[in-house]
Amino acid sequence: EVQLVESGGGLVQPGRSMKLSCAASGFTFSNYGMAWVRQAPTKGLEWVATISYDGSSTYYRDSVKGRFTISRDNAKSTLYLQMNSLRSEDTATYYCTRDGLGTTVVIYFDYWGQGVMVTVSS
Amino acid sequence: DIVLTQSPALAVSLGQRATISCKTNQNVDYYGNSYMHWYQQKPGQQPKLLIYLASNLASGIPARFSGRGSGTDFTLTIDPVEADDTATYYCQQSRNLWTFGGGTKLELK
Repeated sequence: EVQLVESGGGLVQPGRSMKLSCAASGFTFSNYGMAWVRQAPTKGLEWVATISYDGSSTYYRDSVKGRFTISRDNAKSTLYLQMNSLRSEDTATYYCTRDGLGTTVVIYFDYWGQGVMVTVSS
Repeated sequence: DIVLTQSPALAVSLGQRATISCKTNQNVDYYGNSYMHWYQQKPGQQPKLLIYLASNLASGIPARFSGRGSGTDFTLTIDPVEADDTATYYCQQSRNLWTFGGGTKLELK
C-alpha cells in the first residue's frame, strides 16, 4: 500500500525557516517524480514545487522561487521541502504527492499524503 | 502561465447528472494527449485523483465519473450523482508546469 506521511509543520515566525519531510513507503520511491502542493485555509489547491525521480530537475512556482528548495533522498525514500524567509501568505496545509505515471516527466498526482499544517505568524 | 477557470459551485439533485466545466487560457494538448486531470476533495481530507489525461478513470473510481474534452475546454461528469459525491472538484493541467483550477463545490438540491 502506497503511503506518504508528512512531518515537520507547525507555527513559525515570519522570516524564519522550516523544513518539511515526507516519508514514502509501499512503492519504489526512486522511480517516481514527486511534488508539494499546498492549500491555504478555506482556499483552493496550489502547486508549489516538483522534483524528478532522480532529483536532477526541480521546478518552483514563482512566489516561492529562491526561498523554497525541494529535494529528495532516494536511499531513505524521503522527500523534503526547505522553506526559508517564510511569509504569512505561505500559511497552508502542505501535501506531499506522487506522480501517477512514474516516468521522467511528472504529469498528475495519484497519491497524496494527509498533509501538514504550516502557520506563519508572529 | 496557464490559467484554469471553474465555476465556484453547482447544485444538483440526487440521481441526476452533474457536469463540471474547466476552461483554460491556453491549449493543454500535446502529441495526442490532453494534459488535464480531475480531483475530488472532501472537507478535512486530502484530494483524490478521479480522472487523468482528460478521460482516463483512475484506479478504484466508480464508472459514474467520466471526463472529456480537449484543447481548452474540459468537463467532468458524474452520472448519477450520489450523496457521497458532495465535495469540491478541481481540474489541474500539466502541459506547462502544474496549475489547478479554483475548484467547483458540488452540493445537493
